Amino acid sequence: DGGITQSPKYLFRKEGQNVTLSCEQNLNHDAMYWYRQDPGQGLRLIYYSQIVNDFQKGDIAEGYSVSREKKESFPLTVTSAQKNPTAFYLCASSPRGTGANVLTFGAGSRLTVL
Amino acid sequence: GQNIDQPTEMTATEGAIVQINCTYQTSGFNGLFWYQQHAGEAPTFLSYNVLDGLEEKGRFSSFLSRSKGYSYLLLKELQMKDSASYLCAVLDSNYQLIWGAGTKLIIKP
Repeated sequence: DGGITQSPKYLFRKEGQNVTLSCEQNLNHDAMYWYRQDPGQGLRLIYYSQIVNDFQKGDIAEGYSVSREKKESFPLTVTSAQKNPTAFYLCASSPRGTGANVLTFGAGSRLTVL
Repeated sequence: GQNIDQPTEMTATEGAIVQINCTYQTSGFNGLFWYQQHAGEAPTFLSYNVLDGLEEKGRFSSFLSRSKGYSYLLLKELQMKDSASYLCAVLDSNYQLIWGAGTKLIIKP
């Protein structure tokens, strides 16, 4: 079955450490996205990529980095520069990066900074 | 600024009908989405409205009034599995999604 796989589901990090969240899709979608979800707030866009080897900052990119070397993969690194990284992170994809697209989401990764 | 408003939490009874409202103020409008999200899981697509009116899909219907900046999601014959958060999101003039904080729906037997 096609879908998006995020790993790990739960991750604990000490302050000062970088961590990388994995996102893989087998839907042959061109566009991929990273969102952050915090209680009482709407989803906030961190980074998105419309094609391989290209990506753009979203609304809250500071302290995060991404790469898009393969169509299927869009890993997110949470760096030590991110001041409040504890959150639920959602990866999503869509057939195209433009127009009105339905997003397919992964099951999420919950990051806790100790 | 851009803003999406939804009630934080609603409670309804199994078998009943519930209406979840969403009002928006955005820079332009290219459609409105509703997603369902069970706790700790991925949001899943429910509906997309770009023209005024009611779209019916089984037990779920979604309504849009662009002149009022208003949408609602109507859930009929509620089941316990409908307990979830319902997310409203608007596509603005730049085709960027603006998300509401979500409405947590609690279904009681």
